Formats: sequence, C-alpha cells, structure tokens
Amino acid sequence: DSGVTQTPKHLITATGQRVTLRCSPRSGDLSVYWYQQSLDQGLQFLIQYYNGEERAKGNILERFSAQQFPDLHSELNLSSLELGDSALYFCASSPGLAPLTYEQYFGPGTRLTVT
Amino acid sequence: AQTVTQSQPEMSVQEAETVTLSCTYDTSENNYYLFWYKQPPSRQMILVIRQEAYKQQNATENRFSVNFQKAAKSFSLKISDSQLGDTAMYFCAFSTQGGSEKLVFGKGTKLTVNP
Repeated sequence: DSGVTQTPKHLITATGQRVTLRCSPRSGDLSVYWYQQSLDQGLQFLIQYYNGEERAKGNILERFSAQQFPDLHSELNLSSLELGDSALYFCASSPGLAPLTYEQYFGPGTRLTVT
Repeated sequence: AQTVTQSQPEMSVQEAETVTLSCTYDTSENNYYLFWYKQPPSRQMILVIRQEAYKQQNATENRFSVNFQKAAKSFSLKISDSQLGDTAMYFCAFSTQGGSEKLVFGKGTKLTVNP
C-alpha cells in the first residue's frame, strides 16, 4: 500500500459525459501528479500540482482539467468524454520538489471505460 | 525531446535464475533521476529501484540491482533469484531536476517468471 488513495476504482460512463476522479496523496506529500495509461499511448504525464498550484502540464487535453485543494487532495475532471479516453488514470504523490525529494508513489488507479 | 526506450517488449526467465531488462534514455539534462517501476496484474505501480544520475555507484535493493552507464545513457535492471511474484510489466522512467519532476516512461517490458 503506497498510501495514495484514488476513488473510484472503476468508472463506466457514456460518450459526452463528464466525470471526476479523486486522489488523496500520502500524508505530508505536497506534490500530486496525474498520469494516463492506455494501450496505444502507454504511460503519459498529464499534469502536476504542488501545494495547490499548477506546476507543469503534459499531454493533457483541453477537455480535461484538474485542481488541488487546500487539504492537498486533487481532482481530475474529464468532460465531453470520447471512446479514446478509456484508460487507467493514476495519481502519484511525492513529498516536495527535486532535488530534495523526487520519488513518486502511485495510487491504485481509476479504470475509466467510456461506452 | 526526452525519451525512454525499452527494446525488449517481452522476456521470460526460469524461477531462481537471473534476468536483465534493458533501458536507454535520451536527455540533454545533466541532473536527473532514473527509476524502475513494476506493474503486476493488479495494475498497481510499484517503485522497484531508483538511481541519481550524479551517483556513480549502482543502486541495489535486495535482489534488484541496476547497471547505470551515464555516458551511454543506459540503465538496465538485473533481477537475481527470480521469483514467480516478479512476473509483471516493468517500466523504466526518468525525471529531471528542474521545471517539473514528471516521469517519462518507456513502453515497458513484460516479464514472465516460469516455474
């Protein structure tokens, strides 16, 4: 158990819908990362937050957005869902920023199926 | 562009034997960190071992060790005394020190340990 929690574990929804994925980082961790794992794209970085502020963006679609709340949990919002958004979405956390701390610990993931 | 290449999509090894998984990467950064993550059928991403690029000594964690060749940009993982529980996808990844600590992943190597 990494200490990172994600809810829900599974999500099945229809095209065009909107969903919210939730992540609680390990106790004390200030950085939260979101990754998408799909068969064709592999593991891809979406976005990073550090202590409530957006720090970096990766290959995140405009239909997707995220935020980190004062209690440090994070939410990833996916809207106007398409079949191709079906994937495993991981949240990871780390205590701070490199070079002091750089290891990322992953949650169990949320499996999103868009039908 | 920062890339990670794992040239072995699949590998197999007999229980108790040793296996080496290959990884090469490309970055113009001088300070970075390298990781191997394991993803068993449960889909959980588990950190196996990490290496700081500025350290010449190869990292070791129990049965897992790395061969880090900075000039060649190579970072292989050796698993000794393979166990059935080592059956998993193994991902090589790196992160840089500045800007974002995002992980850049390879496409993975599927390792099967046979009894």
